[in-house]
Amino acid sequence: EAGVAQSPRYKIIEKRQSVAFWCNPISGHATLYWYQQILGQGPKLLIQFQNNGVVDDSQLPKDRFSAERLKGVDSTLKIQPAKLEDSAVYLCASSLPIGGTRNSPLHFGNGTRLTVT
Amino acid sequence: AQRVTQPEKLLSVFKGAPVELKCNYSYSGSPELFWYVQYSRQRLQLLLRHISRESIKGFTADLNKGETSFHLKKPFAQEEDSAMYYCALSSGNTPLVFGKGTRLSVIA
Repeated sequence: EAGVAQSPRYKIIEKRQSVAFWCNPISGHATLYWYQQILGQGPKLLIQFQNNGVVDDSQLPKDRFSAERLKGVDSTLKIQPAKLEDSAVYLCASSLPIGGTRNSPLHFGNGTRLTVT
Repeated sequence: AQRVTQPEKLLSVFKGAPVELKCNYSYSGSPELFWYVQYSRQRLQLLLRHISRESIKGFTADLNKGETSFHLKKPFAQEEDSAMYYCALSSGNTPLVFGKGTRLSVIA
């Protein structure tokens, strides 16, 4: 099966600029996640979608971050305006049931490495 | 709150030596524990999960609820095991919470 696709792979922007990331999950996967991974740390959940609805966005900095999954397939994550501390790898993952537990693990994309200067 | 602790940032072992990557968690309910691995230039992928009770690539992990641990073990390390290993926890329908990861380096 085709894996989770993310673009771009790398992005360098200046602080206060805007940036957007795109994710295409595995076909048929209802649940989509965006994780932020800062250097030296494990992935941290930003937002979880079930189809096109938000399940959990409690850790999303909503003053600057936004995400959508309009048709329940592709998703975009936007940062506006970016700060230096947003430098990280942004990972998209998808799974079949909610939570990716039981018999369906999370499938991750290659991530987008963002550098804010 | 759910928390996963991996006390070692880096673990170096010689080829053929036993490996144990430590993972401790805090959660009051019945957790589901996972190990994810990221090889060089590859994406993060599931290695194993406690409910499967399986051995993958020679690795095993036993959930010890008394010690709230889920250590990853392999009796004889191989060079291709060098990677970043992340322990992760989920409780039912909640998203995965990851530890900070341990980099395993197997020396020939």
